[in-house]
Amino acid sequence: GAVVSQHPSWVICKSGTSVKIECRSLDFQATTMFWYRQFPKQSLMLMATSNEGSKATYEQGVEKDKFLINHASLTLSTLTVTSAHPEDSSFYICSAIGGDDTQYFGPGTRLTVL
Amino acid sequence: AQSVTQLDSHVSVSEGTPVLLRCNYSSSYSPSLFWYVQHPNKGLQLLLKYTSAATLVKGINGFEAEFKKSETSFHLTKPSAHMSDAAEYFCVVTLPGTGRRALTFGSGTRLQVQP
Repeated sequence: GAVVSQHPSWVICKSGTSVKIECRSLDFQATTMFWYRQFPKQSLMLMATSNEGSKATYEQGVEKDKFLINHASLTLSTLTVTSAHPEDSSFYICSAIGGDDTQYFGPGTRLTVL
Repeated sequence: AQSVTQLDSHVSVSEGTPVLLRCNYSSSYSPSLFWYVQHPNKGLQLLLKYTSAATLVKGINGFEAEFKKSETSFHLTKPSAHMSDAAEYFCVVTLPGTGRRALTFGSGTRLQVQP
C-alpha cells in the first residue's frame, strides 16, 4: 500500500530557531501533499496544500512567511517553521494522495519549542 | 460547502461488545466519506472509504460503515471490540473525484475499550 513517512518524528528546539520537517511518499509519486496541524485532543486542521513545482496554497489564518513549504519533487515536501515560538508547539501531520485518489497520512512530527 | 459532525466525543465499550461511532455529514453534492483511526502519537490510518459504490463498506480490522443518504449518516460499526481498537476515530468528507482537495475532518471520537 501507499506509505508516507515523516522526519523527524519528534523535535525539540529553542525559541527563535527554525525547524524543517520532511514528508516523503515512499512508493508512489504525489503531485499534491497536505500539511495539517493537530493540537492535543483536537482534530486536524489543514494548514496548506503543497503542489509540486508551484507555490503552496495556505489556509486562512496561516502565516505563509512563518510556515514555509517547498515541494521540490514528486516524492518530497518540506515544512519549515521559521523563528519558532512556544505557541508553535504542536503535532504536524502530512498527507499525500495515492493513485486511488485516497489521502495517505504520515506518522506525524511532534514539535516542542522551549 | 461540506461538513461532518461526530455525535459523540467519547465512547466507552467493554471488550467483546459491539462498537458504534456516529457520524453525520452535510454536503451540497454526493460526497466521498472516510473513517480514519489514530492511535496515540501516531499518524492516521485509513479504515474504510465510501465513494458512491456499495452503501455498506467493509474496512480493515473488522470495521464497516453504512452510507445512508436519507439520514445523511455514515456510522462506523464493529461487532466485537478488541482492546487494540482503543484510539481516536475521525469521520472525514470530501467531494468525489477531487482527491486533490483537502479533507474536512470531524472533531473525532475517542473509543475506550474496557477489559
